[in-house]
Amino acid sequence: GENVEQHPSTLSVQEGDSAVIKCTYSDSASNYFPWYKQELGKRPQLIIDIRSNVGEKKDQRIAVTLNKTAKHFSLHITETQPEDSAVYFCAAPSNFGNEKLTFGTGTRLTIIP
Amino acid sequence: DVKVTQSSRYLVKRTGEKVFLECVQDMDHENMFWYRQDPGLGLRLIYFSYDVKMKEKGDIPEGYSVSREKKERFSLILESASTNQTSMYLCASGRVGIMNTEAFFGQGTRLTVV
Repeated sequence: GENVEQHPSTLSVQEGDSAVIKCTYSDSASNYFPWYKQELGKRPQLIIDIRSNVGEKKDQRIAVTLNKTAKHFSLHITETQPEDSAVYFCAAPSNFGNEKLTFGTGTRLTIIP
Repeated sequence: DVKVTQSSRYLVKRTGEKVFLECVQDMDHENMFWYRQDPGLGLRLIYFSYDVKMKEKGDIPEGYSVSREKKERFSLILESASTNQTSMYLCASGRVGIMNTEAFFGQGTRLTVV
């Protein structure tokens, strides 16, 4: 089955600086890599995703990069703001038809004003 | 607006009780999931379903079972609740697979087993 590893588990950055969170996966057949953000007391919500046929995707201050050869993908947040403080999860699908969605262990990001 | 609704926000049950957690989605999604969330362990998959009456074990299925009799409803069952099943349980639905898209989560059920 899929094994998704996520690092670091906690990350503190000064407001305005960049944050990078990294994930590795084991199933070479995985073809879709989403990132979810969970604010305190709320449900996880998708913030960006990338498919295996592209290497990078950007959405304003957020970007995701994918290296299929090395089986890792990363979330980049630039010009961080206090509202970026949350727990971030990466995920990857696996199983025969990619129906199983496995999440990483999460990264608690704290933005220091 | 997509809605994934879990039947309870908070539950307190006694050890040995049979516990049912219900989840309903209104987007006609094929795939539904049950996760448990514990500090430092992230979201761990208990069971998932890719069609009515179809179910597959996730990474931590021991002590749990599921039921999916209708497409919109996915139930998680704790056959005999134990204190180590005290946790936050999250249901999700989506279209995973060939047409991977966003998974939508319910608001979560915080279960305490005493």
